[in-house]
Amino acid sequence: DSGVTQTPKHLITATGQRVTLRCSPRSGDLSVYWYQQSLDQGLQFLIQYYNGEERAKGNILERFSAQQFPDLHSELNLSSLELGDSALYFCASSVTPSTGQETQYFGPGTRLLVL
Amino acid sequence: QKEVEQDPGPLSVPEGAIVSLNCTYSNSAFQYFMWYRQYSRKGPELLMYTYSSGNKEDGRFTAQVDKSSKYISLFIRDSQPSDSATYLCAMERVGNEKLTFGTGTRLTIIP
Repeated sequence: DSGVTQTPKHLITATGQRVTLRCSPRSGDLSVYWYQQSLDQGLQFLIQYYNGEERAKGNILERFSAQQFPDLHSELNLSSLELGDSALYFCASSVTPSTGQETQYFGPGTRLLVL
Repeated sequence: QKEVEQDPGPLSVPEGAIVSLNCTYSNSAFQYFMWYRQYSRKGPELLMYTYSSGNKEDGRFTAQVDKSSKYISLFIRDSQPSDSATYLCAMERVGNEKLTFGTGTRLTIIP
């Protein structure tokens, strides 16, 4: 158990809908990362927050947004969902912004299925 | 062309064999190299971390980085059925805090 929690574990929804994925980082970790894992694209970095502020952006679609709250939990909002958004969404956390020397600990993921 | 290339496998080897997993990359700015193990329906967990070129050993696992060839490897000695998982290589540039992952190699150790 990495100490990172994600809810829900599974989510089934329809195209055009909006969902919110939630992540609680390990105790003491200030940095949160979101990744998308699909069969054809592998694990893709979406966005990073550090202590409530956006720190880095990756291949995140405009339909997706995220935030980190004062208690350091983070939410990833996915809107106008398309079939291709079906994937595993992982959250990871680290104490400080990762510089390679700082391990990122991954949560168990949320499996999203868009029908 | 992807920044990080990894053979997706699947790779099946008998128990006790030495396993070699590899990744190549195109961006010479990568300085940090990691291997993650991901069991089915779980999140990735960090196995090995190396900085720049060289070897690092941890128990049955050895990570090698050859920056001149832009090639990294993970060796697993005395492989066990519990090593059956997907192995992902990951890389990071100095000052750029996002990880770039390979697509992962699915490994099965046959008892």
